[in-house]
Amino acid sequence: DGGITQSPKYLFRKEGQNVTLSCEQNLNHDAMYWYRQDPGQGLRLIYYSQIVNDFQKGDIAEGYSVSREKKESFPLTVTSAQKNPTAFYLCASSPERGHNSNQPQHFGDGTRLSIL
Amino acid sequence: GQQVMQIPQYQHVQEGEDFTTYCNSSTTLSNIQWYKQRPGGHPVFLIQLVKSGEVKKQKRLTFQFGEAKKNSSLHITATQTTDVGTYFCASTMNYGGATNKLIFGTGTLLAVQP
Repeated sequence: DGGITQSPKYLFRKEGQNVTLSCEQNLNHDAMYWYRQDPGQGLRLIYYSQIVNDFQKGDIAEGYSVSREKKESFPLTVTSAQKNPTAFYLCASSPERGHNSNQPQHFGDGTRLSIL
Repeated sequence: GQQVMQIPQYQHVQEGEDFTTYCNSSTTLSNIQWYKQRPGGHPVFLIQLVKSGEVKKQKRLTFQFGEAKKNSSLHITATQTTDVGTYFCASTMNYGGATNKLIFGTGTLLAVQP
């Protein structure tokens, strides 16, 4: 089955600790995205990548970092600089052929991150 | 920044009643996508509208794109408990330079009482 796999499902972070959330897709999609969702809120874009070895900041990139070394993988690191990291993190992908693509996004099941 | 506003934020209906959520923008939209997120789940793509005045139906769901392409609505006829969740609209907007990105609305949470 093709899809997006996020792991872990639940993650706890200690003060001052960096943690990395995994996102893998086997849909052969070019574009991948990371969103943050707070309780009762919409989705806010953290980072996105349209192609391997390239990524761009979204609306709330401070305190986060990403890499895109492989087409299938787009891990997100929540650094200690992110002072309020407790949230639901969603990874998504889309075929994204060209800059004017209107392709829908496919989401993973998400990772819930909490502070210890 | 560019925003897509949704109303209402929350709606509670009795099973069998109808439900409508509205999506509005101050700028002309190139398209509208609708997603549903079940409680504890992830957003799932429902449909996309691109033409002015376009109307599409999926069983009890009716999606409409305004004539001016600045608003959209999702109407559910005779709600069922399986309709519970948050409904998001989203639109592709210019994100600086030549890149267009998907901007999500604030969402409407639908609760259905049996």
